Amino acid sequence: SQQGEEDPQALSIQEGENATMNCSYKTSINNLQWYRQNSGRGLVHLILIRSNEREKHSGRLRVTLDTSKKSSSLLITASRAADTASYFCATDGQAGTALIFGKGTTLSVSS
Amino acid sequence: DADVTQTPRNRITKTGKRIMLECSQTKGHDRMYWYRQDPGLGLRLIYYSFDVKDINKGEISDGYSVSRQAQAKFSLSLESAIPNQTALYFCATGDSYDETQYFGPGTRLLVL
Repeated sequence: SQQGEEDPQALSIQEGENATMNCSYKTSINNLQWYRQNSGRGLVHLILIRSNEREKHSGRLRVTLDTSKKSSSLLITASRAADTASYFCATDGQAGTALIFGKGTTLSVSS
Repeated sequence: DADVTQTPRNRITKTGKRIMLECSQTKGHDRMYWYRQDPGLGLRLIYYSFDVKDINKGEISDGYSVSRQAQAKFSLSLESAIPNQTALYFCATGDSYDETQYFGPGTRLLVL
């Protein structure tokens, strides 16, 4: 069963706008990761945030984690057409590093 | 060269056939994983291996088997393929000290 659930399922924005995606999960975690997938390709790791962290930045990416609400958000600032992709959150499952993925948010950035 | 490679990249087979998907990695990681992706369902874990002698079932292991031939190689077999195994299959690796996973390019499988 899915641990993380992303919201919204799909998001369409214009270049230059910010994109925010949310992830909710059900059980306690050690860390939460965000991955990106370009159409039909392998996933690429974006950022990892640990359970004792509240916010993390990497370039135009900002991730927040609220363990009390069991939720995380991924903000992409000043979006570009090249950011068009699906974004997945993943949490550590019962086996530790065997990740459990959400269903993803499909982001479309138009120029 | 890619760190995680999968062969074949595309495969069409018929119901009842046995097929094998192969994964090789040059990252030197101990841990390897097989996932399948279906539209709207995200990625689901099939099997994972934390070292050569370790094999564990994931969420959806029924109808699949795996073999960890070496640290760098992890193959997934469908003993008797069925149409609902049509999906995109990904291999991933991970280091025991690094919680990040690194994915291969995927194998697109169609079972007729």
